[in-house]
Amino acid sequence: EAQVTQNPRYLITVTGKKLTVTCSQNMNHEYMSWYRQDPGLGLRQIYYSMNVEVTDKGDVPEGYKVSRKEKRNFPLILESPSPNQTSLYFCASSLDRGFTDTQYFGPGTRLTVL
Amino acid sequence: AQKITQTQPGMFVQEKEAVTLDCTYDTSDPSYGLFWYKQPSSGEMIFLIYQGSYDQQNATEGRYSLNFQKARKSANLVISASQLGDSAMYFCAMRNTGKLIFGQGTTLQVKP
Repeated sequence: EAQVTQNPRYLITVTGKKLTVTCSQNMNHEYMSWYRQDPGLGLRQIYYSMNVEVTDKGDVPEGYKVSRKEKRNFPLILESPSPNQTSLYFCASSLDRGFTDTQYFGPGTRLTVL
Repeated sequence: AQKITQTQPGMFVQEKEAVTLDCTYDTSDPSYGLFWYKQPSSGEMIFLIYQGSYDQQNATEGRYSLNFQKARKSANLVISASQLGDSAMYFCAMRNTGKLIFGQGTTLQVKP
């Protein structure tokens, strides 16, 4: 089954404790992206990657890191989480970055930082 | 600036009736894609339907259709024969290259 998977689905952590949210897709997609969803602010892009070893900042990159060492995986790293990073996080992938390419989303990760 | 506007924060529809969710967009780029996603209470984002800026015909996918009016810059989602399982939040989104730009969403509740 073609899908984007994320782990963990739910996470409660404390300020400053490094964490990684994994993302994997099995569709051989070139483009991968991370979004966060917050009430009243909608969905905003954090980082994206157009190919292996090619990553770039989205609209809200502060406090996050990413890497793309393999085509299928695109982990999101919070080196020192803070309460304002409490959010619902989505990983998404598409065949490429064009306007005709549909982005498919993972199931989401609900992160709470205390 | 590129922007998506969904003016209906919440809507009700009777089961088996049709409903239209509004979406207007703003972009100066002639090449763009318009997408609708469904987000049920469980939280996942489910792709529903796509319309490209150069497509001559309105997109349809099962009970979903997209009423694309390019001159008015609108891309309304029509759900026919509503079902209880259609109760969810619906997002309109636009893509030029790269990221998706989302609207604020419309919460749809289907009444039995």
